[in-house]
Amino acid sequence: DTAVSQTPKYLVTQMGNDKSIKCEQNLGHDTMYWYKQDSKKFLKIMFSYNNKELIINETVPNRFSPKSPDKAHLNLHINSLELGDSAVYFCASSEAGVGGYTFGSGTRLTVV
Amino acid sequence: AQSVTQLDSHVSVSEGTPVLLRCNYSSSYSPSLFWYVQHPNKGLQLLLKYTSAATLVKGINGFEAEFKKSETSFHLTKPSAHMSDAAEYFCVVSDHGSGNTGKLIFGQGTTLQVKP
Repeated sequence: DTAVSQTPKYLVTQMGNDKSIKCEQNLGHDTMYWYKQDSKKFLKIMFSYNNKELIINETVPNRFSPKSPDKAHLNLHINSLELGDSAVYFCASSEAGVGGYTFGSGTRLTVV
Repeated sequence: AQSVTQLDSHVSVSEGTPVLLRCNYSSSYSPSLFWYVQHPNKGLQLLLKYTSAATLVKGINGFEAEFKKSETSFHLTKPSAHMSDAAEYFCVVSDHGSGNTGKLIFGQGTTLQVKP
């Protein structure tokens, strides 16, 4: 059983489109995150939700909107995709917000 | 604010020789530190973590790291490299700042190459 699962694994789309990435965890964790890994492999947090409440919103364009329908799910919707949005997006979850992170396998987004 | 600096962007070793990946941290608090590994086109796997218990931390696949407060370092070592160790390694600190959000702050990564 996959602990943190993301779909899709690969996403190729044209500029200007709107797309969503879904994430689900079955670990019972309270906190979920979205991280972005750029072409130089640098990872940076984008958002964090604790029990459906947004607790971290880094300087991310408004075109990115996370949604957490329940504490087991954290989806990422991206409007008006741009070339610079091409990256690998990782979902993660943790217990009590400190340590014990589990990452999903990533979604490779390519905007053409 | 917390930060980590990985001192080498690329390390190359021969199979069977020791591995040393260097990491320095900066933290206003007693830090929680981690090493993650990412194999090509794969996700992130936790190798080990330090959370103020023993300063020598043993992880998976023979890796270990030593927390040295006086040197603000958390270097990753392995006595004998294996071909399967070739990957990207990330030193990470957890944010213990206001609100204790628990967000992870990643180093720039070190690419480990293992030569036959």
